Amino acid sequence: AQSVAQPEDQVNVAEGNPLTVKCTYSVSGNPYLFWYVQYPNRGLQFLLKYITGDNLVKGSYGFEAEFNKSQTSFHLKKPSALVSDSALYFCAVREDTNAGKSTFGDGTTLTVKP
Amino acid sequence: DGGITQSPKYLFRKEGQNVTLSCEQNLNHDAMYWYRQDPGQGLRLIYYSQIVNDFQKGDIAEGYSVSREKKESFPLTVTSAQKNPTAFYLCASSMAPTSLNGYTFGSGTRLTVV
Repeated sequence: AQSVAQPEDQVNVAEGNPLTVKCTYSVSGNPYLFWYVQYPNRGLQFLLKYITGDNLVKGSYGFEAEFNKSQTSFHLKKPSALVSDSALYFCAVREDTNAGKSTFGDGTTLTVKP
Repeated sequence: DGGITQSPKYLFRKEGQNVTLSCEQNLNHDAMYWYRQDPGQGLRLIYYSQIVNDFQKGDIAEGYSVSREKKESFPLTVTSAQKNPTAFYLCASSMAPTSLNGYTFGSGTRLTVV
């Protein structure tokens, strides 16, 4: 079975500071990992993914994420936060043997204050 | 532009009524998914379809039904058997069940029982 956990319901950072949104996962096989962002009353938008290769992946809007196999983590990061980054962020995982079905975390609300 | 269209954006249902949520995509994607989003609970999979004329139950299928008669369309019916249907419903698609890309989401339908 596959699962994903986002341990923080809320993350608050000041504009210009670095941000981290945490995600840990559990799978039986190899993980495919994704981050999505959701703005109020909208669908989710894909940010970035890890499939294989370099542990540091770069995505949209200056976001990046680091895959750590030993810690089963895939934390989302950004060097300098913007107020416009404030949104709900979801981590998702899919096992390489599990065709099609992704499991999503409960989401983390990121608030960036001016 | 290619994408997923969900309609209506807002839907009100009376007790005991069946209602159908529309999801249409012009991305030529094989796989389609329905998720339910409740505050603090993330996204939960209702049904998914990997190919036309085939679909599988997700984690919370009770009280819901779907059809996949056309590749472009994956409507969701919320039946009177669903005891707590008030939620935000999201439709998503991917190129293939084993696609390594993330999902494309629609903008959602907010269903309220009145």
